[in-house]
Amino acid sequence: DTGVSQNPRHKITKRGQNVTFRCDPISEHNRLYWYRQTLGQGPEFLTYFQNEAQLEKSRLLSDRFSAERPKGSFSTLEIQRTEQGDSAMYLCASSSTTDTQYFGPGTRLTVL
Amino acid sequence: DAKTTQPTSMDCAEGRAANLPCNHSTISGNEYVYWYRQIHSQGPQYIIHGLKNNETNEMASLIITEDRKSSTLILPHATLRDTAVYYCIVRAGVGIKAAGNKLTFGGGTRVLVKP
Repeated sequence: DTGVSQNPRHKITKRGQNVTFRCDPISEHNRLYWYRQTLGQGPEFLTYFQNEAQLEKSRLLSDRFSAERPKGSFSTLEIQRTEQGDSAMYLCASSSTTDTQYFGPGTRLTVL
Repeated sequence: DAKTTQPTSMDCAEGRAANLPCNHSTISGNEYVYWYRQIHSQGPQYIIHGLKNNETNEMASLIITEDRKSSTLILPHATLRDTAVYYCIVRAGVGIKAAGNKLTFGGGTRVLVKP
């Protein structure tokens, strides 16, 4: 069973640019989560999907952020008009009905 | 989800058992205790979870007090590769509609295993 994969692993962008990250969950996991982690802090929840439905969003997810999971498999997280404060590690996790979440390696975003 | 309290950091000697405490005095009856760890620049790694009974797997043991207000994660023979930040998280289990599904991470315990 392959784990959760995330691409790219690193992204450097200029302020104001749009970026998109991809997460491929463990196969047959119907739940997918996005978290954000800034330096020295624990991960913070952003949003959660069950199959293709986005069921919960954190207030951290401003209107510049959008997440999709169009066919209930992989998911994308897009940040529009990036700001320096968006610099962080973006983590994806997936789970099945046992509810234990398994994390991917993360995408580290640096906004210059 | 109930809040957890963990020591900020601790050291342990390679080859010895590492005992990581966690307080969760406001835990509810339907809430589980989960442990994850995060090695530098990697995603969090699931270790173990439990509800009431003690649990053991290939990575660690979880001891939960009878009143469930605290727990201890035990790494039986710490190695240098166990150096990481360890997070204790309390959350409701599957099927609890009001709980939401997110994990709420605190600051964790920074564990340094020394040779």
